[in-house]
Amino acid sequence: EVQLVESGGGLVKPGGSLRLSCAASGFTFSSYSMNWVRQAPGRGLEWVSSMSSTGSHIYYADSVKGRFTISRDNAKSSLYLQMNSLRAEDTAVYYCARAYYDGDTYGVDYWGQGTLVTVSS
Amino acid sequence: SYELTQRPSVSVSPGQTARITCTGDAFPKQHAYWYQQKPGQAPVLVIYKDSERPSGIPERFSGSSSGTTVTLTISGVQAEDEADYYCQSTDSSGGYPNYVFGTGTKVTVL
Repeated sequence: EVQLVESGGGLVKPGGSLRLSCAASGFTFSSYSMNWVRQAPGRGLEWVSSMSSTGSHIYYADSVKGRFTISRDNAKSSLYLQMNSLRAEDTAVYYCARAYYDGDTYGVDYWGQGTLVTVSS
Repeated sequence: SYELTQRPSVSVSPGQTARITCTGDAFPKQHAYWYQQKPGQAPVLVIYKDSERPSGIPERFSGSSSGTTVTLTISGVQAEDEADYYCQSTDSSGGYPNYVFGTGTKVTVL
């Protein structure tokens, strides 16, 4: 059974930093691209960042570029998101999400339960 | 980048059919993915590649595509289908896969 378990969320002041982790199990982690997707309270889903299976390709949404860094450790089946210079608008539930590619389009086939990040003074 | 537009809400009686549309310039060049999200829970994939259903998803969920509009159909709606539904595709015009999500549709079972 595929499982994605996020951790590391919490309350942080504006300008602060936080590191999220995602522990994967039930599949060959090193074979899959992975994503972070977030959802602000009462709002829709927003893609944040993607990393290819080997880590050679990394992409960010414009809203986090230069502030967030995605990384992975295939030996530990883990995905990370280092978040710096946090803003109030970064407040959201952050989901770890496994990528699915159908030959034309990317989607998400499995989601973690999410971890809440609150940026407030 | 692309925008995917959904109606904010759809109301349907139990046993009836709910149709949730998603419109955007991504289609039909790109495929559509549909996610169901119940309150306080993570999204769940219910349709991929426009019309394919993952294992474990009930047959009452189906997807279709016509021009720039994709549709998620729930036939014989049940109370447990009350949830938010999001469409999603990818915009690769910037040279990388930018996942784009629709605005979401809240399905209310009367």
